[in-house]
Amino acid sequence: GQQVMQIPQYQHVQEGEDFTTYCNSSTTLSNIQWYKQRPGGHPVFLIQLVKSGEVKKQKRLTFQFGEAKKNSSLHITATQTTDVGTYFCAATANQAGTALIFGKGTTLSVSS
Amino acid sequence: GAVVSQHPSRVICKSGTSVKIECRSLDFQATTMFWYRQFPKQSLMLMATSNEGSKATYEQGVEKDKFLINHASLTLSTLTVTSAHPEDSSFYICKTSVGLMNTEAFFGQGTRLTVV
Repeated sequence: GQQVMQIPQYQHVQEGEDFTTYCNSSTTLSNIQWYKQRPGGHPVFLIQLVKSGEVKKQKRLTFQFGEAKKNSSLHITATQTTDVGTYFCAATANQAGTALIFGKGTTLSVSS
Repeated sequence: GAVVSQHPSRVICKSGTSVKIECRSLDFQATTMFWYRQFPKQSLMLMATSNEGSKATYEQGVEKDKFLINHASLTLSTLTVTSAHPEDSSFYICKTSVGLMNTEAFFGQGTRLTVV
């Protein structure tokens, strides 16, 4: 079945440093979504990317979708302690609006 | 945005008992509800997909007789963990989506199940 590989599994940074997490798939994705899950909480939708080469920004967060639609990245500029959590990428199994297949997530810790 | 209300948020039960988890869509009709399980420090794993008025579709390795899913109405889906065992202890979370292209997903708050 379809798999989404996500790296790194853990990342620790000093406050103010940048952070990037990557997702890769062996198959072409119709779209990719990014979620943030705080410890003890549920995943919160951040964004969806659909178009090849798409780049979207949300304040300090930059999301990219590869030209081949097989990879994606989330980059956080100048991390803050509020960025702590696990970031998941997720892709739909097909275009029919079915279940999301989640990457394993990248857990970000930030020290001040 | 759409809201999915899930409860209970936490439950501790004895081994051998059953636990029912409810997910309600508060301001929209959820034709499809997805149920996920998340073990500590792991990703969300899809357990089953439920569609209103029909039988749920279970993922490989998920026992349908153990994890009973009912989606009797467009606003309520339930997951019952039957004869729970300690290895069933996990974070269970429901999710639905809005839009034809699964544009945005809405999660319930999740249920932390501990079986003792």
